[in-house]
Amino acid sequence: GENVEQHPSTLSVQEGDSAVIKCTYSDSASNYFPWYKQELGKRPQLIIDIRSNVGEKKDQRIAVTLNKTAKHFSLHITETQPEDSAVYFCAARTREGSNYKLTFGKGTLLTVNP
Amino acid sequence: DSGVTQTPKHLITATGQRVTLRCSPRSGDLSVYWYQQSLDQGLQFLIQYYNGEERAKGNILERFSAQQFPDLHSELNLSSLELGDSALYFCASSVALGYRVSNQPQHFGDGTRLSIL
Repeated sequence: GENVEQHPSTLSVQEGDSAVIKCTYSDSASNYFPWYKQELGKRPQLIIDIRSNVGEKKDQRIAVTLNKTAKHFSLHITETQPEDSAVYFCAARTREGSNYKLTFGKGTLLTVNP
Repeated sequence: DSGVTQTPKHLITATGQRVTLRCSPRSGDLSVYWYQQSLDQGLQFLIQYYNGEERAKGNILERFSAQQFPDLHSELNLSSLELGDSALYFCASSVALGYRVSNQPQHFGDGTRLSIL
């Protein structure tokens, strides 16, 4: 089955700096890669996603890049703000027969210091 | 608001007991996913239902079971509870009718916090 590795497990940056979180996946058949942000005690919220036929996607201060050959994808947050502090999860979706399964990384705790 | 409703928000019970967690998916979504989130385990996929049928199983214990009803709401049943079952249990839904499955992200409910004493 699919295995998703996420690094780093914790990341601390100064407000205004950039933050990068990286994930690797094992199943070359994975074709959809969402990123979720989870604030303490709250539900994971989808912040951006990318499909395997796209190399990069941007949404304001957030961008995701995908390297299918190397089987890794990254989340980039620019001009970080204290409200970006949260746990970020990457995930990879693999098709199993007629079904799609989402495998999550273990999460990165991002702290943005004012 | 994601449109996914989970009840109850909090549940406190004792070891050996049985509980039922409930999830109502977003309007039009046919798939329901259950996840367990412990402090040291991240988001662990438990089980998925699509239009009433079980579709995929993850790391779900034999003491746990689930079902999806004709109105598409789902219930996760946890029995013979142990201290280690204390966790946040999330339900997510996806797949609006008429859309390609592969283009649909999962939207999470607010979770049920289960505490075993």
